[in-house]
Amino acid sequence: QQQVKQSPQSLIVQKGGISIINCAYENTAFDYFPWYQQFPGKGPALLIAIRPDVSEKKEGRFTISFNKSAKQFSLHIMDSQPGDSATYFCAASPNTGFQKLVFGTGTRLLVSP
Amino acid sequence: GAGVSQSPSNKVTEKGKDVELRCDPISGHTALYWYRQSLGQGLEFLIYFQGNSAPDKSGLPSDRFSAERTGGSVSTLTIQRTQQEDSAVYLCASSLARSKADTQYFGPGTRLTVL
Repeated sequence: QQQVKQSPQSLIVQKGGISIINCAYENTAFDYFPWYQQFPGKGPALLIAIRPDVSEKKEGRFTISFNKSAKQFSLHIMDSQPGDSATYFCAASPNTGFQKLVFGTGTRLLVSP
Repeated sequence: GAGVSQSPSNKVTEKGKDVELRCDPISGHTALYWYRQSLGQGLEFLIYFQGNSAPDKSGLPSDRFSAERTGGSVSTLTIQRTQQEDSAVYLCASSLARSKADTQYFGPGTRLTVL
């Protein structure tokens, strides 16, 4: 049962372009939404995270947009660079006692030079 | 400082054998998580340890899977009577767990192949 749906599965963007990855969730009890970046052979690393009480969070070239009513959130990578080529995972955690992450299936991003 | 380390990095085993995967969390991190990453899939939560509390085992897929954490530090994930569907990358993460939003830091994973 996939509780967090992520799209697209893969994405090719030209250098300098905007990369957009979307996620949708079903469980209204989710209250923490992080994005992870994973390079081949490495574990995922936290990129940026948001709570549902804000609609947008920006850190450098990375922005999360959050739509609570639609139960959707997205990652925008501005001025995409070849070094951004990686797999990106959205995740969500319910309001339990600990950060029990439910992950999307991942988006493989390729930024062409 | 040192990150989360896992060993072995790769493990090939035959169907029916038992395997042990090891995780060394970041020093001082009280929370430790195990995840499984199957090909083309996202990460699947397996088990969570926090200090001396009883672990949350709700993600373990079958009773062939077990994990322990000794002395609040190193953790071992054991898979008994391995099956081909157990083939995946097993990832460990740790965090300070001072708050719900504390970052989980992941190790590089152990790639398990069951022949």
